[in-house]
Order: sequence, then structure tokens, then C-alpha cells
Amino acid sequence: GENVEQHPSTLSVQEGDSAVIKCTYSDSASNYFPWYKQELGKGPQLIIDIRSNVGEKKDQRIAVTLNKTAKHFSLHITETQPEDSAVYFCAASVDKLIFGTGTRLQVFP
Amino acid sequence: NAGVMQNPRHLVRRRGQEARLRCSPMKGHSHVYWYRQLPEEGLKFMVYLQKENIIDESGMPKERFSAEFPKEGPSILRIQQVVRGDSAAYFCASSPLEGDTGELFFGEGSRLTVL
Repeated sequence: GENVEQHPSTLSVQEGDSAVIKCTYSDSASNYFPWYKQELGKGPQLIIDIRSNVGEKKDQRIAVTLNKTAKHFSLHITETQPEDSAVYFCAASVDKLIFGTGTRLQVFP
Repeated sequence: NAGVMQNPRHLVRRRGQEARLRCSPMKGHSHVYWYRQLPEEGLKFMVYLQKENIIDESGMPKERFSAEFPKEGPSILRIQQVVRGDSAAYFCASSPLEGDTGELFFGEGSRLTVL
């Protein structure tokens, strides 16, 4: 089955800096790659997703890139703000979402 | 349009008791997924259900755990004879799409504590 690895597990940045989180997946049949943000005590919320027929997608300060050959995808957050502090999960899917282990992002003012 | 509703939000059980977690999907969604999240860990897939059907239960422990999604009413995740290791947050998600996965909409979770 699918296996998703995510790095780093923790990431601390200064407000205004960029943050990058990377994931790799094992099943070449996976075709949907969402990113979720989870705040303390809450459920995960989708922030951006990408499908396998696209290499890059951007939504304001957030972008995701996908390299199907290498089987890895990344989340890029630019101009980080304190409210970006949360745990971020990547996931990959053929028929069900398999999640990475999460990255705790802390943005210091 | 109400989101995915889970209850109870917090549940405390003693070892050996039963826990029942309920999930009402978003309006118009007929696909429900259950995930378990241990403290400081990621979300582990447990089971995928459609109305009256279990589609994929490959992530469910073989014993003590069961799930259903009846024609009427919420989806239920049932844990019998709970043990301390069952303490976790259990998240339900729903989707309107059949087959190929699209966006999953998550509830706020049910946090089970086993004493």
C-alpha cells in the first residue's frame, strides 16, 4: 500500500520568511495530493491540493509542487505570519488518503 | 451548510467499557472515512464506508473495532472493551465523490480517554 514520508517534523521560522515542507510517496498510482492544516484541538482543514496532471499550483502565499518521476511533492509558504503556526499534513491518494506524519510549523513574530 | 458533525467531542471510558463515536457527514455527502490520531502523530486510515456498505476496512484492528453507516442516521465507530492504547482522537471525514478521492472534509474529532 501507499506510504507517505514527511520532513521536517518541526520547523521554526521568523515572520516574513518562507517555509518549505517536503513529502515523498511510494505508490506511483497515487494521483491526488492534498495538504491539510491542523490547529490545536481542531480537525484538519484543506489548504491546497494538486492532481497528478499538474506540476505546480499556487494560491496567494501558498504553493505546491509535484514531481511524479521522483515521487515527491512540496508545500511552500511565503511571507509567513504567526497565524500560519499549526501542524501541516501532506497526503497521497489512489482510493483513500494516506497521510504523512506531520510538520509542526512555528512562526515567531 | 453545516460541516461534518462529530459527537461526543470528548469521551472518558474505563478499561473494558464500550465507546461509541458518531459522525454525521456534510449534507449531500454519502461517503464517510474514519481516521485515528495518536498524540503527536499523523492520521491513520481506519475505514471507508458508504451508506449500508463497508468499502475498505483495511486500517481497522481485527478485534473490538467495528463501524457502520446505516441508511438513516449517523455513522458509528464502536470500540468494545476499550484499553488504554485506544486513547486517541478519532476523526471522521466525508466526501461527495465516489471512487477516486477528492477533498475530504473533516469534523472536529472525538477525543477518547481510557482510564
